[in-house]
Amino acid sequence: NAGVTQTPKFQVLKTGQSMTLQCAQDMNHNSMYWYRQDPGMGLRLIYYSASEGTTDKGEVPNGYNVSRLNKREFSLRLESAAPSQTSVYFCASRASGRENEQYFGPGTRLTVT
Amino acid sequence: GQQLNQSPQSMFIQEGEDVSMNCTSSSIFNTWLWYKQDPGEGPVLLIALYKAGELTSNGRLTAQFGITRKDSFLNISASIPSDVGIYFCAGLYGTSYGKLTFGQGTILTVHP
Repeated sequence: NAGVTQTPKFQVLKTGQSMTLQCAQDMNHNSMYWYRQDPGMGLRLIYYSASEGTTDKGEVPNGYNVSRLNKREFSLRLESAAPSQTSVYFCASRASGRENEQYFGPGTRLTVT
Repeated sequence: GQQLNQSPQSMFIQEGEDVSMNCTSSSIFNTWLWYKQDPGEGPVLLIALYKAGELTSNGRLTAQFGITRKDSFLNISASIPSDVGIYFCAGLYGTSYGKLTFGQGTILTVHP
């Protein structure tokens, strides 16, 4: 049982390049989330998917797009990377119902030069 | 939007000491979660709290959901070197599709 997996673990992009961060969970969770983590700012929600087939903006969605490919997979795309998007990106998932506990992947460290 | 203030920002303690950290909110929450993050890893859930006044333990960790529903506390007893890391609180109001609000984190350093 791998939990939440993310690929790649590290990535360096040049300004203007595009890329997709991949996330998958094997816990049969309904909801999935993308966060970014910057020093001293905790984790900020970029996009989330409450259930398969739905996506919504979080706190900092500008410059990103997402796709909930199926129940297991939720990808984050940067169409034209900017240095301000240098960050560590975490994917998380949550079962539906009363429990609000989110389980996180290991993260993708992205540098945009 | 909702904001969480987590304090202290950092702590330097000796092995064996007890540790306390807290989070306060400008709004009420109905869920409080505490996470620990090791360097280069994702946050790992430590304790979940769902009811005002609730006190929950996980080994040497104890967390409480404040009576006002605007704060939460995490205590670590008899700290050990592997307690080193960043501790985050997170709160949720209503269902909000699980959209958590995170504190800025407390960086804990334990000297052997």
